[in-house]
Amino acid sequence: AQKITQTQPGMFVQEKEAVTLDCTYDTSDPSYGLFWYKQPSSGEMIFLIYQGSYDQQNATEGRYSLNFQKARKSANLVISASQLGDSAMYFCAMREGRGTASKLTFGTGTRLQVTL
Amino acid sequence: DTEVTQTPKHLVMGMTNKKSLKCEQHMGHRAMYWYKQKAKKPPELMFVYSYEKLSINESVPSRFSPECPNSSLLNLHLHALQPEDSALYLCASSQVAGTENYEQYFGPGTRLTVT
Repeated sequence: AQKITQTQPGMFVQEKEAVTLDCTYDTSDPSYGLFWYKQPSSGEMIFLIYQGSYDQQNATEGRYSLNFQKARKSANLVISASQLGDSAMYFCAMREGRGTASKLTFGTGTRLQVTL
Repeated sequence: DTEVTQTPKHLVMGMTNKKSLKCEQHMGHRAMYWYKQKAKKPPELMFVYSYEKLSINESVPSRFSPECPNSSLLNLHLHALQPEDSALYLCASSQVAGTENYEQYFGPGTRLTVT
């Protein structure tokens, strides 16, 4: 079963507009972490934002914010004031488990295209 | 310095060749990771090293052999690969394997083609 689901294979947004990328997850572990990464065409994975399962407030990092709804098991990424350089693949990921047995599982990704 | 470096950037090898991928970080991270990423797919975890010891092997074929000579270096030795092993190989590091809030920093990857 999919642990991380990203239902939007592709999204378009106009420059300077806000966009929301969806992510839902499935876990029975009470302690987990949720991450968003950006992957430009160059290939490098760039860390954007993190949300812990026990965090009371939604995470924010500059133009990025994470809309965390624990009961719905969703962790959507909101990018405000989109820029042309935001065009890339975006992956949602979850870390479960503790100690050396922990690992990161990625969703299938959403390709974001920012247009003029 | 939040940089993870990987060499080479591109590698073309035959099925009988032996080659190695290298990864280096100087952030003092004690966990290092190898991922394989096929085109238009998410990264898939291959190996995790924690404090220079192999802690996770995701049932990777033995033609891939990881090595962690010290806390800054991670190698992936390749031997007798198949064309389906062609992919982007990403290295990552984090402060401590398993601590949920420590993000992984990724290198730029090695694009491997097996002919």
